[in-house]
Amino acid sequence: DAKTTQPPSMDCAEGRAANLPCNHSTISGNEYVYWYRQIHSQGPQYIIHGLKNNETNEMASLIITEDRKSSTLILPHATLRDTAVYYCIVRVLSGNTPLVFGKGTRLSVIA
Amino acid sequence: DAGVIQSPRHEVTEMGQEVTLRCKPISGHNSLFWYRQTMMRGLELLIYFNNNVPIDDSGMPEDRFSAKMPNASFSTLKIQPSEPRDSAVYFCASTDAGLSNQPQHFGDGTRLSIL
Repeated sequence: DAKTTQPPSMDCAEGRAANLPCNHSTISGNEYVYWYRQIHSQGPQYIIHGLKNNETNEMASLIITEDRKSSTLILPHATLRDTAVYYCIVRVLSGNTPLVFGKGTRLSVIA
Repeated sequence: DAGVIQSPRHEVTEMGQEVTLRCKPISGHNSLFWYRQTMMRGLELLIYFNNNVPIDDSGMPEDRFSAKMPNASFSTLKIQPSEPRDSAVYFCASTDAGLSNQPQHFGDGTRLSIL
């Protein structure tokens, strides 16, 4: 079972920041927070991951609370192409273990 | 660089037929994963390999499903005989397990319809 809780859906106006929350209250000390997204008819795409510090890359920013029980993925300037299902996943930092997907958040970016 | 390549992209066949799905991982990756996605169950792991060796096949639904990885550049997922409830999108993913912070890279999937 997925160890995260996400809202089923969100809307965001094009050009605005999209803030996607995730609760992971049972996260262990050695588990990271990963975010993937799945655009319609495509395979999931890695976005970003972090342990306890905030992270930023060319796609998004990840803000993790100090107690690590929740996090927020931020798309700073959402575009229509960011419409997708976003999955928050907690797992140990090991490449050879599978991902456990929950239901994710369906983000709709509206013009 | 070429990503994970899956074939066919779409497959429609009648129940009882054998179905073979194919995956070519990214060159140099040594872990390969097969996932299945349905509306009811979402994305779920079927089986994964490390260095061509199956590690966990507990997600394979029945004996009708089998997977092989004869070499580092090729894997197959076979369903025999197929049933309508096997209709789903099947994804293959690969990663370099030797580097701890490497994400999994997914193919675009095979959309399977069993009539």
